Amino acid sequence: RKEVEQDPGPFNVPEGATVAFNCTYSNSASQSFFWYRQDCRKEPKLLMSVYSSGNEDGRFTAQLNRASQYISLLIRDSKLSDSATYLCVVPLNDKIIFGKGTRLHILP
Amino acid sequence: SQTIHQWPATLVQPVGSPLSLECTVEGTSNPNLYWYRQAAGRGLQLLFYSVGIGQISSEVPQNLSASRPQDRQFILSSKKLLLSDSGFYLCAWRGTGGLEQYFGPGTRLTVT
Repeated sequence: RKEVEQDPGPFNVPEGATVAFNCTYSNSASQSFFWYRQDCRKEPKLLMSVYSSGNEDGRFTAQLNRASQYISLLIRDSKLSDSATYLCVVPLNDKIIFGKGTRLHILP
Repeated sequence: SQTIHQWPATLVQPVGSPLSLECTVEGTSNPNLYWYRQAAGRGLQLLFYSVGIGQISSEVPQNLSASRPQDRQFILSSKKLLLSDSGFYLCAWRGTGGLEQYFGPGTRLTVT
């Protein structure tokens, strides 16, 4: 199993819909997780941190399932501006392991 | 507040030419520093990371090298660029004891 795996997508979702992505990780000792957002030709930016079972910030909810070793990102009431690539991130000692990202396209 | 700078923003270099990309961080001390490369349409590839001055860990053997001459300065270099070195180079920092990583604006390198 790869250290961090994501469905590359693309997910094509109509505006206003709810969409969810999963990310699986291999190191069962990992304690914290992050979702980053990367717009086309821009640097990744931190979206959410997940330290325990989950985290919610407005329309965004991140959940952690330690038993199955995956984290998920749920976006409710999606907006056109949510179109981006979403990167799952797992710190591993001094390194940071990035997934390859899931592309999301919100359709008008 | 902390800020991270990278320059240049874009660069076009011929094959075989040298490279030097610089990254500096402000507003923090003793950060962990990272260099990533992202090829077009691909994920982030960790190239080097550093936990302190003069300490460099290399993740991928290649014709690139990194140096950290000062606490908040991280430099990526090459003596001779290859076509495959084209990509988006991102520098990032993480605070001591922190877990979140923050990225600079990146340098888009095209090797011709």
